[in-house]
Amino acid sequence: GAVVSQHPSWVICKSGTSVKIECRSLDFQATTMFWYRQFPKQSLMLMATSNEGSKATYEQGVEKDKFLINHASLTLSTLTVTSAHPEDSSFYICSARTSGWSGELFFGEGSRLTVL
Amino acid sequence: AQSVTQLDSHVSVSEGTPVLLRCNYSSSYSPSLFWYVQHPNKGLQLLLKYTSAATLVKGINGFEAEFKKSETSFHLTKPSAHMSDAAEYFCVVSEEGGGGADGLTFGKGTHLIIQP
Repeated sequence: GAVVSQHPSWVICKSGTSVKIECRSLDFQATTMFWYRQFPKQSLMLMATSNEGSKATYEQGVEKDKFLINHASLTLSTLTVTSAHPEDSSFYICSARTSGWSGELFFGEGSRLTVL
Repeated sequence: AQSVTQLDSHVSVSEGTPVLLRCNYSSSYSPSLFWYVQHPNKGLQLLLKYTSAATLVKGINGFEAEFKKSETSFHLTKPSAHMSDAAEYFCVVSEEGGGGADGLTFGKGTHLIIQP
């Protein structure tokens, strides 16, 4: 199946700093990618839709100035957590769909962010 | 509108015994249905999917699921559990235009525990 890669897998940062997480589709082009946040022992919560060449679309309640999304190419989307605080600590996952609508999403391995 | 209910938050079985993870769904149209597995600090891996073809779907690692429209169920089974099956399992329903922007609605997850 298609492969989606996330980097870094783990990141620890100090409060007030910014952290960038990358999501790459390795063997296909993805005009749309999705970013999720997962709290401990909970399901995935969709944060935003990353659109290649245009602004991201954020879900209700997600601060767009806190979570900056850039989709500069057909294979790369980045999520930047700005001025991170301990409450931003979480597991962040991206996904992408191959061309057309098949319903199946391919997920990255996730990135564990810990803000001290 | 679509929804997914995973009937058990935790399931514990002994190694070598059958596994049954229950999932009920509601959907306005003809949905696609998926089971994903998530190991600790990892992304979601697709186990199997139903997309209106055969109602009995075989997946990876010996898992299978049966789509029963009359019961609106898509239960996941495996004849013999292995220690490596211990993980979190998510039932997901998908239809174009349904759920979130990604078209998906996630169940809350079932934590599978394998007793030695």
